[in-house]
Amino acid sequence: GAVVSQHPSWVICKSGTSVKIECRSLDFQATTMFWYRQFPKQSLMLMATSNEGSKATYEQGVEKDKFLINHASLTLSTLTVTSAHPEDSSFYICSARDLLRGGYTFGSGTRLTVV
Amino acid sequence: AQTVTQSQPEMSVQEAETVTLSCTYDTSENNYYLFWYKQPPSRQMILVIRQEAYKQQNATENRFSVNFQKAAKSFSLKISDSQLGDTAMYFCAFMKLYNAGNMLTFGGGTRLMVKP
Repeated sequence: GAVVSQHPSWVICKSGTSVKIECRSLDFQATTMFWYRQFPKQSLMLMATSNEGSKATYEQGVEKDKFLINHASLTLSTLTVTSAHPEDSSFYICSARDLLRGGYTFGSGTRLTVV
Repeated sequence: AQTVTQSQPEMSVQEAETVTLSCTYDTSENNYYLFWYKQPPSRQMILVIRQEAYKQQNATENRFSVNFQKAAKSFSLKISDSQLGDTAMYFCAFMKLYNAGNMLTFGGGTRLMVKP
């Protein structure tokens, strides 16, 4: 089936630094990718929709200058958390359309801890 | 806008027994898809089952089946012969008519514990 590879799986960074998270579709082309944030014991919250070759669409309340999304190719989308603060600590998950099963394939997630 | 509600934050079931997880949704759409996703402790999201709204027949995948009631906007998941590996968070999700740009709307999740 379709696979989305997400890296890193976990990262610890200092306040004020930037962190980049990558999601790659390994055996299919993902024209659209979705980025979610998940707090402990809570559901997934959509942050933004990333379309290849165009600007991302952000959900209300999500700072686009803080969470930079780039979808430069059909197989790669990146999320950069700029000037990270402890409140940005969370679990971030990407997903892309799964043509085979009619749903969406998810990356394995990235646990970000800002200290 | 669509909303998805899972009214059971936590549930438990004995191994080998059957459990049903509830999900209701609200939408003005007529054509849409519904999903159940599983998130085990590894936090990897795994598709369990999918239902197209235009299909009257309930979807089944081995031990997993759904009871889709379109008029009532209800989409419950039944897990038969529960196994320890079924312990996970389960999310019900809604998607408008299949389109690359359509996002999933998730319910709040139900934490299922399968007890030996």
